[in-house]
This record gives sequence, structure tokens and C-alpha cells, in this order.
Amino acid sequence: DGGITQSPKYLFRKEGQNVTLSCEQNLNHDAMYWYRQDPGQGLRLIYYSQIVNDFQKGDIAEGYSVSREKKESFPLTVTSAQKNPTAFYLCASSGQGNSPLHFGNGTRLTVT
Amino acid sequence: KQEVTQIPAALSVPEGENLVLNCSFTDSAIYNLQWFRQDPGKGLTSLLLIQSSQREQTSGRLNASLDKSSGRSTLYIAASQPGDSATYLCAVSTQGGSEKLVFGKGTKLTVNP
Repeated sequence: DGGITQSPKYLFRKEGQNVTLSCEQNLNHDAMYWYRQDPGQGLRLIYYSQIVNDFQKGDIAEGYSVSREKKESFPLTVTSAQKNPTAFYLCASSGQGNSPLHFGNGTRLTVT
Repeated sequence: KQEVTQIPAALSVPEGENLVLNCSFTDSAIYNLQWFRQDPGKGLTSLLLIQSSQREQTSGRLNASLDKSSGRSTLYIAASQPGDSATYLCAVSTQGGSEKLVFGKGTKLTVNP
């Protein structure tokens, strides 16, 4: 079955550590996205990539980094510079043109 | 700046009732509007996508309408079931491509048996 896989489902880290969240898709989609979801807020775009080896900052990119070395993979690193990293992180992808967004099941990151 | 509002934030209805969820947006220059469903602790599932040139889309018991001039969309759910309980989010695309999606905060729906 085609879809988006995010791992792990839950992640715990100590403050000051970098952590990388995995996102893999087998939908053959060119575009991939990372969103952050906090209670009582809408989804906010962190980074997006429309093609391999290229990516752009979204609305809240500070303290995050990404890479897009393969079409299928778009890992997100939450660095120690991110002031409030505890959140639910969602990865998504979309095909060309007017196509809907497909989401993974998310990674809940807790930093203490 | 595009803003998307969903009212009410939460809604509780008895099973079998027909219901309407509302979504409003401030800038009518949209490319498309999407409705999503989110179950607790899960990702979003796309329900319907309405292009700016369309007035409505239907899928099973779901019907979404779009009125660009008034900046409104509604999601109609017929004959609601307990399995419809979830948070429903709408998002508008202000340019071609999902990177320009602006999301509302969602309406949490509870359908009581």
C-alpha cells in the first residue's frame, strides 16, 4: 500500500540534544512537507521541498533543518536552537497540480 | 495575510443527525480548499478538495461547498455515525501548490450513539 511512514511514533530527548525525525513516502510524490501541530493551533509549515536536493523555509523554520537527498525521504532535524521543540510533527507529500495533501501518522516529540 | 477560521471549535450531536461544519477565510483569492479529518494522535486524512472554479464536491455522505465571494465553505455530513467522531480541518491554498496551505484550527466533532 502506498503511503507515508513517520518514525518513531514517540520520541523523548533531553534539552540541548539534536534529534532527527524520519519521513519516507512510496507515493512517487515530488513535493514533501513538514508541519508542526500544537494544541489549540492550526498546522504550521516548517520546511518544504518540491524536488530532490532543493528545499525552502516555511513559516517557522528557525531551529530546524532538513535534507532531501532522495525523492522518497525528507528527514527533519530539530536542533538545540529550537526554543520550544515539544510538539506533534507531521510529514506530508503531494503530487503535481491540484492534488490533495497526504499525511503520515506523526511523531510526538517530548523534550525535557 | 490569509486567515482561516472554523466555528464552532467543538460540536456534539446524536447519531443519525445531519450536520454542517463551517470554514471561513479572509482572502477570496484562493487556488483550492481542502477538508481533512484527524483522529486523536494521528495524521490528517484528505476528505475533499474543491478547486476555486468549483462550487461543491461530494464523497459518500460528505458534501463540501465553496463560496469564494463570501469567503466560506461548509462540510455537510449526512446521517452522522459514531465513527465520524474526529477533528475536521479545512485549509485554503492561496497559490498553486500545497506549500501555500493555510489551516484552520479545526472543529472537534463527537457523534453520540
